[in-house]
Amino acid sequence: QQQVKQSPQSLIVQKGGISIINCAYENTAFDYFPWYQQFPGKGPALLIAIRPDVSEKKEGRFTISFNKSAKQFSLHIMDSQPGDSATYFCAARGGNTDKLIFGTGTRLQVFP
Amino acid sequence: DAGVTQSPTHLIKTRGQHVTLRCSPISGHKSVSWYQQVLGQGPQFIFQYYEKEERGRGNFPDRFSARQFPNYSSELNVNALLLGDSALYLCASNLGGVSTEAFFGQGTRLTVV
Repeated sequence: QQQVKQSPQSLIVQKGGISIINCAYENTAFDYFPWYQQFPGKGPALLIAIRPDVSEKKEGRFTISFNKSAKQFSLHIMDSQPGDSATYFCAARGGNTDKLIFGTGTRLQVFP
Repeated sequence: DAGVTQSPTHLIKTRGQHVTLRCSPISGHKSVSWYQQVLGQGPQFIFQYYEKEERGRGNFPDRFSARQFPNYSSELNVNALLLGDSALYLCASNLGGVSTEAFFGQGTRLTVV
């Protein structure tokens, strides 16, 4: 019940295309869902986050869609750029804890 | 403003040795968490400290321990190192309290030989 399942494992997108990464969870106590971007040899960087009281949040080219009833959320990267090539992790946190449960990661490659 | 800083950035240790990793949180952040990230996987939660008290512990053996100091910096200690402890160790800080944003440092790459 503590797992967050992430797909796909890897994604190849052409420059200007839309990248979509999906995550699913079981624990209904989760109430905060961040996405992190990680480049090789670096720590994860917070990209965007959502709480379950909203169905969508957009920041620039990045959008989170949240479906509370299905217990699923996804990251959409519009107009994908080669600089977006990185590994993306979804995560979840809830209850009275700061513990983040991470997905397994998606390696995104954007080709010019 | 400085982000979360970790030291050292890289470390090579021999099996059976002990290691201490250090973390300085973002100014004003009172909560520090430690994560282990094995190559190709997502970070796994090890510990969380808030106001110098342990608030959470992940599924790691007792060889792993941590503490937080009055200035909110933190140390992660690992005893009797095993080859399997080779990983990127990440520190994250947040203001404290639930549902606040967590920011990660660049990590310490530990290699056990």
